[in-house]
Amino acid sequence: EVQLVESGGGLVKPGGSLRLSCAASGFPFTNAWMSWVRQAPGKGLEWVGRIKSKKDGETTDYAGPVKGRFTISRDDSKNTVYLQVNGLKTEDTGMYFCMRGAPGGTYYDYWGQGTQVIVSS
Amino acid sequence: DIVMTQSPDSLAVSLGERATFNCKSGQSLLHSSNNNNYLAWYQQKPGQPPKLLISWASSRESGVPDRFSGSGSGTDFTLTISSLQAEDVAVYYCQQYYSTPITFGQGTRLEIK
Repeated sequence: EVQLVESGGGLVKPGGSLRLSCAASGFPFTNAWMSWVRQAPGKGLEWVGRIKSKKDGETTDYAGPVKGRFTISRDDSKNTVYLQVNGLKTEDTGMYFCMRGAPGGTYYDYWGQGTQVIVSS
Repeated sequence: DIVMTQSPDSLAVSLGERATFNCKSGQSLLHSSNNNNYLAWYQQKPGQPPKLLISWASSRESGVPDRFSGSGSGTDFTLTISSLQAEDVAVYYCQQYYSTPITFGQGTRLEIK
């Protein structure tokens, strides 16, 4: 059974940092492209970024609003993908979901339950 | 960035009736190399993560009831629920994966009339 379990969210002051984790199981993690999406309270889905598999270069892509502040990385030995979020702003508040990209890294066939990030003074 | 626009913003349909969701992309999602449309549909119920319903514009995921169907090509796409059930109350999103940044529509909220 595929499982994605996010952790690391919390309450942080503007300008602060967090590292979100997503532990994966039930599929060959090393081959998967992994992504993060966030959802502000009562709002729609916003793509944050993705990391490709090692064999595809482990390259990353980011959405404009987070580029330069957020960093996605992965540890294939731990079947875990990370989202380092720095320079947090109040508009970064929301639920952060981790997802597995379907073969080709395109649409998202499995989602975690999410971890909540609240940025407030 | 490819802008995805869904209509309507909300929809109220009677049980057993048809529900139709529209999604328009700012540029064609049809890839000439493989003749596939890079468009997915998701269902999100309150307090839950989104669930993939349809990929490649019209390919229904395993386990998704056959009352859900996707159609369209190029820039105009439709998700149809042929006979609304109570458990279909949710927000529905389209997503393009033709190019990064990946983008979602703003969502359509479905309610029971």
